Amino acid sequence: DQQVKQNSPSLSVQEGRISILNCDYTNSMFDYFLWYKKYPAEGPTFLISISSIKDKNEDGRFTVFLNKSAKHLSLHIVPSQPGDSAVYFCAAASGTYKYIFGTGTRLKVLA
Amino acid sequence: DSGVTQTPKHLITATGQRVTLRCSPRSGDLSVYWYQQSLDQGLQFLIQYYNGEERAKGNILERFSAQQFPDLHSELNLSSLELGDSALYFCASSAADRGPYNSPLHFGNGTRLTVT
Repeated sequence: DQQVKQNSPSLSVQEGRISILNCDYTNSMFDYFLWYKKYPAEGPTFLISISSIKDKNEDGRFTVFLNKSAKHLSLHIVPSQPGDSAVYFCAAASGTYKYIFGTGTRLKVLA
Repeated sequence: DSGVTQTPKHLITATGQRVTLRCSPRSGDLSVYWYQQSLDQGLQFLIQYYNGEERAKGNILERFSAQQFPDLHSELNLSSLELGDSALYFCASSAADRGPYNSPLHFGNGTRLTVT
């Protein structure tokens, strides 16, 4: 049972445009959400997080939006840069120590 | 550099064998997590330790075991290896004890295990 889903395996975006990566979850107990970026041959790197008491969190070019009623979160990258090309994982957690990850979306930013 | 160190980077072994993967957490982090990433799969949570004690278990097989030592490094032991155990194994650490809030995981670069 995949509790955290990233339904788009890949996404291509032109440099300078907005990248929107989506994530859906099924467990209403999740109350903390994170996005990670992964380059080949490296471990995932933490990007940005949001708790369920907020609906938006912004850090530079990265913004995460949370829609609790739809059990949906998204990561916006504006403007997209070639160095943003990587696999992006969303993750969800509750008070039970477990961070549950999605299967990832491969973002390619075209120069 | 996340500060989390995993060794070895690569491991090739035969079916039926046993291997040990090692992880040193970031300085000051007391929690260690192990994840498995198979081809085209997400990161599957295996197990979490906090200051030497097991705190949470995920989809960890009975052939797998882990421990966290007094110096906080952790080892993941995989035995009776099967072809399907071939994967990337990641270790992550965090400072948090009871829950993840405001304390994201920091990952090592993983150990790639190939079972032939």
